[in-house]
Amino acid sequence: EVRLVESGGGLVKPGGSLRLSCAASGFIFSNGWMSWVRQAPGKGLEWVGRIKSNVVGATTDYGAPVKGRFTISRDDSKNTVYLQMNSLKTEDTAVYYCGLYSGSSESYNWLDPWGQGTLVTVSS
Amino acid sequence: DIQMTQSPSSLSASVGDRVTITCRASQSINTYLNWYQQRPGKAPKVLIYVASNLQSAVPSRFSGSGSGTDFTLTISSLQPEDFATYYCQQSDSIPWTFGQGTKVEIK
Repeated sequence: EVRLVESGGGLVKPGGSLRLSCAASGFIFSNGWMSWVRQAPGKGLEWVGRIKSNVVGATTDYGAPVKGRFTISRDDSKNTVYLQMNSLKTEDTAVYYCGLYSGSSESYNWLDPWGQGTLVTVSS
Repeated sequence: DIQMTQSPSSLSASVGDRVTITCRASQSINTYLNWYQQRPGKAPKVLIYVASNLQSAVPSRFSGSGSGTDFTLTISSLQPEDFATYYCQQSDSIPWTFGQGTKVEIK
């Protein structure tokens, strides 16, 4: 069974940093492309970014609201993907989910499964 | 960025009703459109991928259709466990974008 478990959420002050982890199991992690999606309280889903596999250079892409502040990385030896969040703003408060790309090409793709999410609260 | 617009934003329906949710993209996305269900306090899960493909273990009362800019998610006979929020999402281009969600409530 494919399983994703996020951790690392918590309360942080504006301008601070936090690193989230997503531990994966049940599939060959080194082949997997991974994504982060967030959901502000009571709001919809927002794509944060993604990281491809090391086979294709572990290329990353980000949504405009987080570009330059957030960094996605991976450690295939630990089956874990990370989301380093710097210069946090109150509007970054959200539940952060990681998800596995499950399709076969750049566009022929969707996220399945998702982790249970971890809450990040940015407040003074 | 491609904008995704769902309608309605919410709806009330009874068990057994046929429910249709629409999603419109701001430009053509071929069939690169996925549908997710999110129950309260839970992570989203995929129902339909690439417009019309039913994810494994998802009940056959769910179906998807469309291409280009206009897409539809249909629940043929609403069940109690289907009361949730539904999101469309395009995978045609980066950044991936989601619709604002459609909340299906009990009438």
